[in-house]
Amino acid sequence: ETGVTQTPRHLVMGMTNKKSLKCEQHLGHNAMYWYKQSAKKPLELMFVYSLEERVENNSVPSRFSPECPNSSHLFLHLHTLQPEDSALYLCASSQDFFRGYEQYFGPGTRLTVT
Amino acid sequence: DQQVKQNSPSLSVQEGRISILNCDYTNSMFDYFLWYKKYPAEGPTFLISISSIKDKNEDGRFTVFLNKSAKHLSLHIVPSQPGDSAVYFCAASVGGSQGNLIFGKGTKLSVKP
Repeated sequence: ETGVTQTPRHLVMGMTNKKSLKCEQHLGHNAMYWYKQSAKKPLELMFVYSLEERVENNSVPSRFSPECPNSSHLFLHLHTLQPEDSALYLCASSQDFFRGYEQYFGPGTRLTVT
Repeated sequence: DQQVKQNSPSLSVQEGRISILNCDYTNSMFDYFLWYKKYPAEGPTFLISISSIKDKNEDGRFTVFLNKSAKHLSLHIVPSQPGDSAVYFCAASVGGSQGNLIFGKGTKLSVKP
């Protein structure tokens, strides 16, 4: 595997379910990101981890819980979501958060909350 | 309120001609700008960037122009090819750090053979 991978690619869940999104990067990067892309809206940054520590949390509801067990893996734990949380969730990584490096994105997980 | 705006949701261009994608921003603190390209069912891929100390950056068929006084940047693709058909996102950051990118909504480019 190369680049940034995300699983699952598609997820349908009820509002009472608990599920997790997984991201893995094979690039040796130190920073990882979760973004949300809703229909007709810009990409919104949700969380940033640098060297496995959270450095950014953009006022995301607590029903989204990130976890970064090591620099190659990033999870987004989901519980009691709302239908408006249906969106494309993108993971990205970059060499470093605090200096200028481009971000490499995974293919995304298309989430539908019923 | 959006800090990065791409006011054209779509653009259609003939193969071989020039494609010009526009982006406006409101935050004068932005000092690093990037363009990303996204195909369906794939994540965005980095295309080209420009620092605020420059007004032009070129990479093959792709050139980005920055007009700081107008808070405007544009991406020129010459010549356009059918494989360039994708959604193009403009993004900006403050302090030269790409860690915190603010994205526009994107412009869908269609290049017709």
